[in-house]
Amino acid sequence: GEDVEQSLFLSVREGDSSVINCTYTDSSSTYLYWYKQEPGAGLQLLTYIFSNMDMKQDQRLTVLLNKKDKHLSLRIADTQTGDSAIYFCAAAGGSYIPTFGRGTSLIVHP
Amino acid sequence: DTAVSQTPKYLVTQMGNDKSIKCEQNLGHDTMYWYKQDSKKFLKIMFSYNNKELIINETVPNRFSPKSPDKAHLNLHINSLELGDSAVYFCASSQGLTGKGNEQFFGPGTRLTVL
Repeated sequence: GEDVEQSLFLSVREGDSSVINCTYTDSSSTYLYWYKQEPGAGLQLLTYIFSNMDMKQDQRLTVLLNKKDKHLSLRIADTQTGDSAIYFCAAAGGSYIPTFGRGTSLIVHP
Repeated sequence: DTAVSQTPKYLVTQMGNDKSIKCEQNLGHDTMYWYKQDSKKFLKIMFSYNNKELIINETVPNRFSPKSPDKAHLNLHINSLELGDSAVYFCASSQGLTGKGNEQFFGPGTRLTVL
């Protein structure tokens, strides 16, 4: 089955850019997602990208997809303290049920 | 208006008890899910229902039984609770399984603690 890997922690200074990386194993993955989880809350979809795209930009968020390397990244420009949360990468293929990574805890310090 | 709601938010109970968690969505979606998030934040799908029919049943002990009385509700009943059942349980919904329908909306979670 699909396996999705992410680094567990990322620490950045307020105002810098954050880049969260993710790799997945199933080359037939069609939909790739980034979710945000704030403390004590459920997951909230931030953005998603189809496998026929290599980049998607949405305000401060930029998603890059390297389908050959099965690598997905999320860049947050001008990171704010309110961006501190856990970010989950998810990949969905033929079953359309996403497999989630273990989440990357983003810590933003002044 | 809450899109996906779960009750209770916290549940503390003794080993061996039976408990239920309720989920309701007011988005008009036809697919609902239960996920388990362990203490290391690993999120694993347990069940998925589409139009009240079970379509995904991952390797979950049969002590866990989902019930969908209608498209807007998916409840999770757990028998003979064990210490390892302690986790946060998330309900989610989506409009279908294809295309943008795979955008899932999550509830706030139910933190289950088994003593």
